[in-house]
Amino acid sequence: SQKIEQNSEALNIQEGKTATLTCNYTNYSPAYLQWYRQDPGRGPVFLLLIRENEKEKRKERLKVTFDTTLKQSLFHITASQPADSATYLCAPSTDSNYQLIWGAGTKLIIKP
Amino acid sequence: NAGVTQTPKFQVLKTGQSMTLQCAQDMNHEYMSWYRQDPGMGLRLIHYSVGAGITDQGEVPNGYNVSRSTTEDFPLRLLSAAPSQTSVYFCASSSQPAGVSTGELFFGEGSRLTVL
Repeated sequence: SQKIEQNSEALNIQEGKTATLTCNYTNYSPAYLQWYRQDPGRGPVFLLLIRENEKEKRKERLKVTFDTTLKQSLFHITASQPADSATYLCAPSTDSNYQLIWGAGTKLIIKP
Repeated sequence: NAGVTQTPKFQVLKTGQSMTLQCAQDMNHEYMSWYRQDPGMGLRLIHYSVGAGITDQGEVPNGYNVSRSTTEDFPLRLLSAAPSQTSVYFCASSSQPAGVSTGELFFGEGSRLTVL
């Protein structure tokens, strides 16, 4: 069955450093992959979408890569700030049914 | 802008009771969906709608009903609540199907349901 894996343990990063989060998928060939941010007690908020033919996508301090050979997407936050602390969710999808399959998310903690 | 509005934010039910979670969006989106979020698991799709009058089942539809009489509203009904339905429920909307290249989802703030 299709499986999406994100680091279940919280990621602790010092302020100013680059945070890198991983999203791995198996038994799946997504055409798109979305990343969302979720703060405690709030709904997810869309950040970035990357297509399978795009190796890299950037938005301000955010960068997403998509490696279809490794079946992996990496999400980078450069010059991290305490305000970046949140849970980050990845959600791939295919062209066939347009439904997203969600990872459980990785909790990111940026320490001052 | 209100975006996606969910009510209630919190609800406690007894086993066997029924209730409706309300969801409304003011962005004129055709696509709406309901997810549940449980600890350690990804969001799971319950039901979705591709337009007024059209609904379909998602991954975990049992015990839930939906209807879509207007573009704006997409209520989720729990027919006979069970402890296994204790969860946080999110309503989402989008202008395109969620999984296509422009299918950014807009989420509500969530409804936390506890079934005793």
